[in-house]
Amino acid sequence: GAVVSQHPSRVICKSGTSVKIECRSLDFQATTMFWYRQFPKKSLMLMATSNEGSKATYEQGVEKDKFLINHASLTLSTLTVTSAHPEDSSFYICSATGYHSGNTIYFGEGSWLTVV
Amino acid sequence: DAKTTQPTSMDCAEGRAANLPCNHSTISGNEYVYWYRQIHSQGPQYIIHGLKNNETNEMASLIITEDRKSSTLILPHATLRDTAVYYCIVRVEDNTDKLIFGTGTRLQVFP
Repeated sequence: GAVVSQHPSRVICKSGTSVKIECRSLDFQATTMFWYRQFPKKSLMLMATSNEGSKATYEQGVEKDKFLINHASLTLSTLTVTSAHPEDSSFYICSATGYHSGNTIYFGEGSWLTVV
Repeated sequence: DAKTTQPTSMDCAEGRAANLPCNHSTISGNEYVYWYRQIHSQGPQYIIHGLKNNETNEMASLIITEDRKSSTLILPHATLRDTAVYYCIVRVEDNTDKLIFGTGTRLQVFP
């Protein structure tokens, strides 16, 4: 299957600072990328959908000014958590799909964010 | 909201077949059935998907009923490493349709 990579896998930041998580498609062009968050023992919750070169579409209840998503190229999307607070601590997962992934969605390894 | 229902948990003995059911009674004609699994603290892993015919790959088999209202994922010889949460999701197969996760089935494979 296609490969999607996230970085960093774990990050700790201080409350009030911003942190950026990168999501890369390594062997295909990702026309669409998705960002999820997951709390312990819970299912994945879709945060937003981003198409290359366009503004992201956020799910209801997700603050677009707090969770900035950029999808500037066909292989890279970034999620920036701005002014992070302890309640933003979570497992963030990206996924990607494109024509050369057979329209199947592939996921990154996930990024653990801890805000202290 | 997720359009599928799955049992919360299942057990399976190592070496035996694991049969994971999924109900999707409101599936539309152009929606595929996708299966993913998530091992603890990792991103979901794609397993298999299908529209109406049964599908098989190196990981699993997917059996879809003729009316398409339910399906079963079969892991033919479960191993301890197959312990994970398995998600059944319906999705239109294009670049824009997203995956909406339900609660999934927690499969525990025991020795």
